[in-house]
Amino acid sequence: AAGVIQSPRHLIKEKRETATLKCYPIPRHDTVYWYQQGPGQDPQFLISFYEKMQSDKGSIPDRFSAQQFSDYHSELNMSSLELGDSALYFCASSLGWQPQHFGDGTRLSIL
Amino acid sequence: GESVGLHLPTLSVQEGDNSIINCAYSNSASDYFIWYKQESGKGPQFIIDIRSNMDKRQGQRVTVLLNKTVKHLSLQIAATQPGDSAVYFCAETYSGGGADGLTFGKGTHLIIQP
Repeated sequence: AAGVIQSPRHLIKEKRETATLKCYPIPRHDTVYWYQQGPGQDPQFLISFYEKMQSDKGSIPDRFSAQQFSDYHSELNMSSLELGDSALYFCASSLGWQPQHFGDGTRLSIL
Repeated sequence: GESVGLHLPTLSVQEGDNSIINCAYSNSASDYFIWYKQESGKGPQFIIDIRSNMDKRQGQRVTVLLNKTVKHLSLQIAATQPGDSAVYFCAETYSGGGADGLTFGKGTHLIIQP
């Protein structure tokens, strides 16, 4: 079965640079969620979109923004990157009240 | 803020035994709970879910129990296998708020002894 696709899988950036992470949800899923997971930590919810509209907002820094496009894929834009932004970033998708299914994440390293 | 937590960070069991992973939640408004399994280098994998109008739900080799009185959730894995080694997270949310994000617990590392 098709899963959530995230790209890139690995990304290395320097402080103050920008990064864009992409997420392609499971076909027919209408909702996308973004999470951040630090080393040894649980995933922290950042933001979600339903039918291309922002739905819920968690602990997303003001330096980050996201959107969902007409084909339902989503992008997380990160600016003025800091060392503390080094983490795994997961995207999840769902259809209605079906459970959220996660991709394998993008590992972001800030040098 | 309110959060979901786990009692034990590491659980070691013998292969073939049953495993029980516990979780306490504090947000009384939560009405939907999910267990995820996360293997190294991978994203959380859905195991089983339960809504607050139920107190037990069974899947293949897994059972989730929900005790709303004491705000407690548990995952039981029958006949544990080496492939069950992973970190297990419980997560909770309120389903009436639209596409609300999940609040995860701290994770339990399940280790299978041969």
